[in-house]
Amino acid sequence: DTGVSQDPRHKITKRGQNVTFRCDPISEHNRLYWYRQTLGQGPEFLTYFQNEAQLEKSRLLSDRFSAERPKGSFSTLEIQRTEQGDSAMYLCASSLDQVSNTEAFFGQGTRLTVV
Amino acid sequence: RKEVEQDPGPFNVPEGATVAFNCTYSNSASQSFFWYRQDCRKEPKLLMSVYSSGNEDGRFTAQLNRASQYISLLIRDSKLSDSATYLCVVVRSGNTPLVFGKGTRLSVIA
Repeated sequence: DTGVSQDPRHKITKRGQNVTFRCDPISEHNRLYWYRQTLGQGPEFLTYFQNEAQLEKSRLLSDRFSAERPKGSFSTLEIQRTEQGDSAMYLCASSLDQVSNTEAFFGQGTRLTVV
Repeated sequence: RKEVEQDPGPFNVPEGATVAFNCTYSNSASQSFFWYRQDCRKEPKLLMSVYSSGNEDGRFTAQLNRASQYISLLIRDSKLSDSATYLCVVVRSGNTPLVFGKGTRLSVIA
């Protein structure tokens, strides 16, 4: 399977714990995006990388959230001191770096439940 | 005002019906436009890009009106398998991320 893969697929954690999610993009894609989606809403942008550089962060990304893409390949999203409001589907996507073709391919997501 | 707004759903239509979704965007400098489809509990997938001249892919037609800043998606001869959420997506420029609308849910009924 050469698509975007995310791990884990599901995560249940207690409030206050830290969690880390991983995303492996399509290998030749140099853009990587993180989105969050809750029920009945479209994906909300969190942050994105071009290679290893983090180019933009949403205001949704509080200081409890941090994302890295150290070698320009896989990325991790860490949430510290989780809150119940963090419960959501966390989606990763990747794309080529072309203005005219920015189709993003999504992973199946990591569903986080904070109890 | 949200950057991308879509028709509220859900749309419940019989098989064979024609259904249209509209989407408006607030940033007049937006450059690229797409419709994505998301099945229940699945990830979004690209349905089609939207070009200024309008474009068609089988039963699906997408149109862009830059002057009025709206995008439309028309589905003809609806199939049960068209039931999904349709997400309008806008990209401001080559160096900005995709911005999604809330989505419009379509249920095609036998």
